[in-house]
Amino acid sequence: AQSVTQLDSHVSVSEGTPVLLRCNYSSSYSPSLFWYVQHPNKGLQLLLKYTSAATLVKGINGFEAEFKKSETSFHLTKPSAHMSDAAEYFCVVTGTDKLIFGTGTRLQVFP
Amino acid sequence: SAVISQKPSRDICQRGTSLTIQCQVDSQVTMMFWYRQQPGQSLTLIATANQGSEATYESGFVIDKFPISRPNLTFSTLTVSNMSPEDSSIYLCSVKLAGHTDTQYFGPGTRLTVL
Repeated sequence: AQSVTQLDSHVSVSEGTPVLLRCNYSSSYSPSLFWYVQHPNKGLQLLLKYTSAATLVKGINGFEAEFKKSETSFHLTKPSAHMSDAAEYFCVVTGTDKLIFGTGTRLQVFP
Repeated sequence: SAVISQKPSRDICQRGTSLTIQCQVDSQVTMMFWYRQQPGQSLTLIATANQGSEATYESGFVIDKFPISRPNLTFSTLTVSNMSPEDSSIYLCSVKLAGHTDTQYFGPGTRLTVL
């Protein structure tokens, strides 16, 4: 069965410093993996996706994630945080015609 | 991607009543889904909305409580029936587009509060 674990429920960074949001997955086959972002009182926006092409995936707003099969990880990074990055981030793995969501990581960005 | 709209965007309802949420997409999609996001929680899949046939419900969700319709390729409704305060959540629809395989795109959500 497929599952995903987000290792941090909250992450706080200062504006201009790097962001790291951690995600580990479990899958019985080669998965597709996604990061979605949810800003307050908004729907979900797709940040990026991995579908077995390049292991380093670039997304919108300067985010990227690296698929590491040996570590079963798909961590999300950004070199320099912006105030507008404050939101909830969800790591997602595909199941059979379904998406399986992690529990989310709330990113706070301080000035 | 696609433009996905939901109506209403939010509502406050009384216990025991029902609310129907609409989801409209601006292009034809292969699959449509309904999710629930309880306060402070992640998303849980309620059901897959099938065009012209009964929806496919996930464990813990039943048609009597969450009837779903999908009369065509671009429109679906979710009804939350006989509501209780525990139904207070954000309800989101999502779609898969032709040629986009696993990716789902989400609507803005409907924020429901049940008093």
